[in-house]
Amino acid sequence: DAGVIQSPRHEVTEMGQEVTLRCKPISGHNSLFWYRQTMMRGLELLIYFNNNVPIDDSGMPEDRFSAKMPNASFSTLKIQPSEPRDSAVYFCASSLVTPGQGWPREQFFGPGTRLTVL
Amino acid sequence: LAKTTQPISMDSYEGQEVNITCSHNNIATNDYITWYQQFPSQGPRFIIQGYKTKVTNEVASLFIPADRKSSTLSLPRVSLSDTAVYYCLVAVRQTGANNLFFGTGTRLTVIP
Repeated sequence: DAGVIQSPRHEVTEMGQEVTLRCKPISGHNSLFWYRQTMMRGLELLIYFNNNVPIDDSGMPEDRFSAKMPNASFSTLKIQPSEPRDSAVYFCASSLVTPGQGWPREQFFGPGTRLTVL
Repeated sequence: LAKTTQPISMDSYEGQEVNITCSHNNIATNDYITWYQQFPSQGPRFIIQGYKTKVTNEVASLFIPADRKSSTLSLPRVSLSDTAVYYCLVAVRQTGANNLFFGTGTRLTVIP
């Protein structure tokens, strides 16, 4: 398996533009997580899905952020409009969660998307 | 909300055992405590997880006291390739949601 795939790897955009980050989880995994990493705030969970359904989006900063998972093999994180403070590395991770086997299970992270908003 | 505290950095010589502790309160009673390793420009990588007492795998051990207010990652005989940032990950059960919190991270530098 190729692991978790994220695209693009780097994105530079101007304030006010729409940004879409993409993630392909590991085949067979049923949970997907979006994280943001900055020097100031460290690694923060933004949202996670289980079986394509958003379970916890309490970490999404504000209405400018939205995430979707239309099927088991694809997810997007969209920022509209983007602001300089959104500059960060965004990670996608996937996991196989089986009821009754404990939480959280091992998460497999993608390489991340480094976003710079000018 | 869970507050996780880790030492910012640690130095160790090759071949020594390294213990990194994460302090956490208000974590979910029945959820795992997990540790990850992160190299520059890469995503975190799973090391080990446990619920209580001691867990050991081929690369590390994890010690969790009965009160679960802390956990200690033990790396035996570190090598230069273990230089990385190490994070604990804990779960907090909140109304209608399970949330996950990474620790602040400990930067381990292994010295030849």
